This record gives sequence, structure tokens and C-alpha cells, in this order.
Amino acid sequence: NAGVTQTPKFQVLKTGQSMTLQCAQDMNHEYMSWYRQDPGMGLRLIHYSVGAGITDQGEVPNGYNVSRSTTEDFPLRLLSAAPSQTSVYFCASSYDGAEQPQHFGDGTRLSIL
Amino acid sequence: GENVEQHPSTLSVQEGDSAVIKCTYSDSASNYFPWYKQELGKRPQLIIDIRSNVGEKKDQRIAVTLNKTAKHFSLHITETQPEDSAVYFCAAPWGRAGNMLTFGGGTRLMVKP
Repeated sequence: NAGVTQTPKFQVLKTGQSMTLQCAQDMNHEYMSWYRQDPGMGLRLIHYSVGAGITDQGEVPNGYNVSRSTTEDFPLRLLSAAPSQTSVYFCASSYDGAEQPQHFGDGTRLSIL
Repeated sequence: GENVEQHPSTLSVQEGDSAVIKCTYSDSASNYFPWYKQELGKRPQLIIDIRSNVGEKKDQRIAVTLNKTAKHFSLHITETQPEDSAVYFCAAPWGRAGNMLTFGGGTRLMVKP
């Protein structure tokens, strides 16, 4: 039981490039979410999903897309990377919603030059 | 949306002393209040949570109290140890069906041996 697995752990991009951050969980959780954490700050919700085929915007969705074709996977796509998107990205999952304990992945540290 | 404010932003205590961190929230519909601990370079991990049908919950040296009327909840750590040194985040759900989690800005706790 690996929990929540994020790949890659580190990535450096140039402005304008696109990429996908991967997130997978093996706990059969319905709810998955993406957060970004900027230095010295809390976590801000980017997008979330309450189940396969359903996604919704969080607090800071601009510049990001998500999809949820399976229960296990919830990839986050940066469409055209900007320096303001330099951050640590955490994926999390829970049994069925935000009112449940969230299980976080180890994070992806992303730098945009 | 939900506004979660957390105080203090930094807290330094002597080993063995108690530490208290307080959060206030704005959405009176919130019914679930978790606390996460994040060690340097690691993922956030849930340490305790409380639901609005109780006023206090304890787990060994950690306790959380909730005042729904005043819309604040607090984390209490007794007999602090150096390994308690970390950043602590509170959170509260909001939005459609309470499916979004907003985090406070974090408190950096330093326990001096």
C-alpha cells in the first residue's frame, strides 16, 4: 500500500513550457485534490475531484487543468508555465471529501525559469 | 470563500512547556477542523481533528478545542519535545457540500532543548 504517489519529485521548466504532474493513490479514495505551497505560506487549493469523471476549481485554478478518468489517477497540467507557478505542489486524497483526513503525497518541487 | 486566520506565525517554547496555536474561521457552516504537522521538506500529516458536535478532543499530549459560537479552534501541545518542532497548519472546509479545504498560514513551532 503505497498511499499517494507523486512524480516527478523535482522539475525545472522554462517559461512557456507545458508539463503534467502525476498523482496516483491506491487506497480507493473518491476525493483527490491538488495544492500549491509557496515558501513560508500555507497550502492553497488548485483543483479537486469528488470522483472519477468529476472535477472542480479550487481557490487558485488559473493556469492549471486537471482530469479524473480513473479513481486512482489525478494529473495536474500546467498549460504554459510562468515564473509565478514556481512552488511545491502537493496532491492529496481522502475517503470521500474535504471533511475527512487528507493523505498527502511527498510533493513535487517545481521551478520555472 | 472561507477565511482561516492562524496565530501566532512563529512560536518558541522551552522543552516541557505547553504550546497553543489558535485559528479563526469565517464560514459558520464549517463542521470539521483538522490540524496538520509539516516537518521541513516533508508532506503535511494529520495529527488531530475535531467535528462540530464536540468541544474538545485529546490524543496523548495533543488536544484541540472548538468554540463554534466564536468561530475559533485551538491546538494545545503539552510537555513539548524537540521533535514537536515543525510547522502546524489548521484548516476548515467550505464551498459546495464543504468540498474545499482552506488552510491557515501556518505556525512555526520551535522547541528549545
